[in-house]
Amino acid sequence: AQKITQTQPGMFVQEKEAVTLDCTYDTSDQSYGLFWYKQPSSGEMIFLIYQGSYDEQNATEGRYSLNFQKARKSANLVISASQLGDSAMYFCAMRRSAGGGNKLTFGTGTQLKVEL
Amino acid sequence: ETGVTQTPRHLVMGMTNKKSLKCEQHLGHNAMYWYKQSAKKPLELMFVYSLEERVENNSVPSRFSPECPNSSHLFLHLHTLQPEDSALYLCASSQDPLAGAGANVLTFGAGSRLTVL
Repeated sequence: AQKITQTQPGMFVQEKEAVTLDCTYDTSDQSYGLFWYKQPSSGEMIFLIYQGSYDEQNATEGRYSLNFQKARKSANLVISASQLGDSAMYFCAMRRSAGGGNKLTFGTGTQLKVEL
Repeated sequence: ETGVTQTPRHLVMGMTNKKSLKCEQHLGHNAMYWYKQSAKKPLELMFVYSLEERVENNSVPSRFSPECPNSSHLFLHLHTLQPEDSALYLCASSQDPLAGAGANVLTFGAGSRLTVL
């Protein structure tokens, strides 16, 4: 069975600073995908970034980067130059690439608050 | 309208009521999903539809009844719910329903916040 662990229920960061949100995962699969989603108070889950288990380089999307350490089974999200609008819940998720269809397993999330 | 739209955004119902949640996607996707989000718990996958055919039912109680009349619309019919069913119900869609390769990103709606009294 797959499992996602996010150990930080809440994080604070000052505006313009960088922040790292932790995510570890457990799977026996060799092929899988890792995702990060953002959920503002409005409720919508917004896709941020994707990393395939065989991708050699860490994924980057604008101010978001994924620090993928396969041997440690970690997929931390790094947000650079934090903005007030980054305040939200952040979810790490994993999907099996073989035989699992397009079903995501989510972590419990990290509440990020960006302060002035 | 773009993306995934869910209505109503908020719903309060008694345990004996019957109501429905509606989801509509304008992305031309082939798969639609219902997820349940309860406080301090990971999102739980409830149902998956691929090209209007149900391909996944994650041991969801029969008081939740999904319906997918076409690839753009998905409903969740609710009847005789329990207070523990109070949650945010999220609808999502994706281009490819079954392939796990590549990003094949799920696009979510804003959710329907359900309160059962």
